[in-house]
Amino acid sequence: QVQLVESGGGVVQPGGSLRLSCAASGFTFRSYGMHWVRQAPGKGLEWVAFIRYDVSNKFYADSVKGRFTISRDNSKKTVYLQMNSLRAEDTAMYYCAKDRLTGYSSTWAFDYWGQGTLVTVSS
Amino acid sequence: QSALTQPASVSGSPGQSITISCTGTSSDVGGYNYVSWYQQHPGKAPKLMIYDVSNRPSGVSDRFSGSKSGNTASLTISGLQAEDEAEYYCSSYTGSSTLYVFGTGTKVTVL
Repeated sequence: QVQLVESGGGVVQPGGSLRLSCAASGFTFRSYGMHWVRQAPGKGLEWVAFIRYDVSNKFYADSVKGRFTISRDNSKKTVYLQMNSLRAEDTAMYYCAKDRLTGYSSTWAFDYWGQGTLVTVSS
Repeated sequence: QSALTQPASVSGSPGQSITISCTGTSSDVGGYNYVSWYQQHPGKAPKLMIYDVSNRPSGVSDRFSGSKSGNTASLTISGLQAEDEAEYYCSSYTGSSTLYVFGTGTKVTVL
């Protein structure tokens, strides 16, 4: 069965950095695009970043552009989110999610999600 | 890019049907058939319920259906059950610099 397991969350001071990981299993990881989505405490969902299956393209929300970097290692079946220059408003549960379709055929639907890892930015 | 607009709450009795609206613009909901709906129970990860406006993933009950008219998408839950009580989010691909946007979320209560 498909499993996505996030890790790397924690408490960090404003201006600090953190790297999140998402380990995948149960599907052909190298064939699917992967996303990060976050949810601030008590708030709604916010899409953060997307990386194509072959790393040919990476896309970011305006709110994180220039500060966050998405990457993946298909040999390790893992997607990462490097977060720099963190702000209080980046405090959230961070979910990784699998794109529903393989290759370039994305219709931006996320059919499997991890359980999330909590990032708290506070002094 | 602003979030898509959803009603804050919708309620219904068991067995009834309810509809949740999701209003965007011609740059998102109205411009693409890439509208999805997610269900989220408290403390849990979201679950895909509808993709590409009206398609159900395998394993999702046929009591859930989606549609779109102009800049507004809708999720209908028929034969409401206690287990349907959750938060529901719509989402859409957009033509803006932020490529993807979620709705504000709707709390569904089963009376």
